[in-house]
Amino acid sequence: GQNIDQPTEMTATEGAIVQINCTYQTSGFNGLFWYQQHAGEAPTFLSYNVLDGLEEKGRFSSFLSRSKGYSYLLLKELQMKDSASYLCAPGNFNKFYFGSGTKLNVKP
Amino acid sequence: DAGVIQSPRHEVTEMGQEVTLRCKPISGHNSLFWYRQTMMRGLELLIYFNNNVPIDDSGMPEDRFSAKMPNASFSTLKIQPSEPRDSAVYFCASSLDRARTGELFFGEGSRLTVL
Repeated sequence: GQNIDQPTEMTATEGAIVQINCTYQTSGFNGLFWYQQHAGEAPTFLSYNVLDGLEEKGRFSSFLSRSKGYSYLLLKELQMKDSASYLCAPGNFNKFYFGSGTKLNVKP
Repeated sequence: DAGVIQSPRHEVTEMGQEVTLRCKPISGHNSLFWYRQTMMRGLELLIYFNNNVPIDDSGMPEDRFSAKMPNASFSTLKIQPSEPRDSAVYFCASSLDRARTGELFFGEGSRLTVL
């Protein structure tokens, strides 16, 4: 089975930095996805972590600790368009389970 | 490049009717996934196929739900009979499992309302 925990909602200010945490317990693990989903749209890929450590991609970074069952997504220089839900999805080759997501509100 | 294509985008039906959702994965992708998203339960994996073969259907809620993939370019998810609690957005996603990340590419979703 799987148990994925993310905060339900967060609010941050334009230009700031925000960290969205995800803890998980899954039966089998070989990687963790982060996806972004704007209201009424499909999820889109942000990052994928297989090994422990930080993966940086522009304004977005994702961290993984396999031993702790923990990941976070770091968003820098927040923009209004970053207002969306962020979904954590740990999984075991070809079977990825999505958390309920964290709704991020970016205010001016 | 065409992404994952789903149809219909919206469907409103009455309880007891049969519903068929369709998906065309990205050409060349060999894995296909059906997810269901609701406010209460988030994004749930229903079933996935690899090389057109159903690998895991443990997420299919009950026998009213069935999915097929007759060839590499087409899949259906059928609900018969439909019930109001089936109202949700149904997403199809595909991936190439030989890719480094196995990234899932999602379609735009089919929003189902059962009255």
